[in-house]
Amino acid sequence: DAGVIQSPRHEVTEMGQEVTLRCKPISGHDYLFWYRQTMMRGLELLIYFNNNVPIDDSGMPEDRFSAKMPNASFSTLKIQPSEPRDSAVYFCASSFPTRDRNKASGNTIYFGEGSWLTVV
Amino acid sequence: AQKVTQAQTEISVVEKEDVTLDCVYETRDTTYYLFWYKQPPSGELVFLIRRNSFDEQNEISGRYSWNFQKSTSSFNFTITASQVVDSAVYFCALSEAPTMHSNYQLIWGAGTKLIIKP
Repeated sequence: DAGVIQSPRHEVTEMGQEVTLRCKPISGHDYLFWYRQTMMRGLELLIYFNNNVPIDDSGMPEDRFSAKMPNASFSTLKIQPSEPRDSAVYFCASSFPTRDRNKASGNTIYFGEGSWLTVV
Repeated sequence: AQKVTQAQTEISVVEKEDVTLDCVYETRDTTYYLFWYKQPPSGELVFLIRRNSFDEQNEISGRYSWNFQKSTSSFNFTITASQVVDSAVYFCALSEAPTMHSNYQLIWGAGTKLIIKP
């Protein structure tokens, strides 16, 4: 089964440029998460969606960051304009919540391999 | 408030030793989920295990075992006969059961860096 797919895996860009990170969640998962990981702050939840609707974007650092989920199989995280302090690993993750105890994989959040962003 | 504490910042052992990574959590919810993730030097986050709050059975998977004790709010992870490939940062995490009113997200521990020396 395909896991969460992120692109690009690595991106180096100049300050001021627009960066778009992409994510394809696991099919059937109706929750999608964007995380950021840095040495200083660890793993931070930026935003998450349920059924393509943003539920909590309180972790989005500022207006330069935006996220969309136009359909169940695709999401983007955009940074415009990018700054050196945005350099981090950005993870996309997905999940399907369930109260069915027999669904072993339910309520597990699966992560993509991450997008390593460097802004110079 | 929910919280996950991994008190061990870094552990270093020699290959073939057993090692236990501690995880203590706080939550007021009666239904919740506990997770362990592995982050090897290559950087990806690999799901290892999920445990439901209503299932206190311990679990063993090869050299990995997990000890869930609600009485002490702990969910410890033991690697038996450690190998160099086990070197990674290991995260413990907690989530509520998703409902209309819950904030469905993972609460992360700070991670424990495990170094296995040959």
